[in-house]
Amino acid sequence: RKEVEQDPGPFNVPEGATVAFNCTYSNSASQSFFWYRQDCRKEPKLLMSVYSSGNEDGRFTAQLNRASQYISLLIRDSKLSDSATYLCVVILSGSARQLTFGSGTQLTVLP
Amino acid sequence: NAGVTQTPKFQVLKTGQSMTLQCAQDMNHEYMSWYRQDPGMGLRLIHYSVGAGITDQGEVPNGYNVSRSTTEDFPLRLLSAAPSQTSVYFCATTGGTLLTDTQYFGPGTRLTVL
Repeated sequence: RKEVEQDPGPFNVPEGATVAFNCTYSNSASQSFFWYRQDCRKEPKLLMSVYSSGNEDGRFTAQLNRASQYISLLIRDSKLSDSATYLCVVILSGSARQLTFGSGTQLTVLP
Repeated sequence: NAGVTQTPKFQVLKTGQSMTLQCAQDMNHEYMSWYRQDPGMGLRLIHYSVGAGITDQGEVPNGYNVSRSTTEDFPLRLLSAAPSQTSVYFCATTGGTLLTDTQYFGPGTRLTVL
């Protein structure tokens, strides 16, 4: 079983739709969680951190469910510019060796 | 302020050749990492460094060497290229702790080994 699993998609949604992605992790001792966004053939960039109480940044909402060991990303009112691959990152400790990237979920927002 | 730069952007090698991928940052970050990204897989850590003079292996270090003589530079050396090393390579830096701080990535080097 992979340490961090994501549905690869692709998710194809119309503009204005709401879409949600999940990311599951295997180690219950994981401490920190992030969502990164990666545009085609570009480098990953931080989208948002994921806090225990859930957090929102504009149209984006991140949730953490420690009991079920997953994090989620909700995008409301999808824009064409949201088309990208979304990577979840799970960190067990402060060491780079204990930081794991999911393989990403591809989102295409259609006009 | 260029952030994280990587050179070259593209490279084609023949099996057995060696080369160095360059990574430089101007953010005075102590933590630097090298990842490779292959289709259908997450980024995998090759080597990392917590400061000048200190390096350590990641998940997939075989076939690669690193050194960190300055805070700014963290080159990745391929000793004898193999087709399995065909990948996109990203360098990343973090200013503080990975637990809370952003990783900043370079634009990547796309390497093909024939």
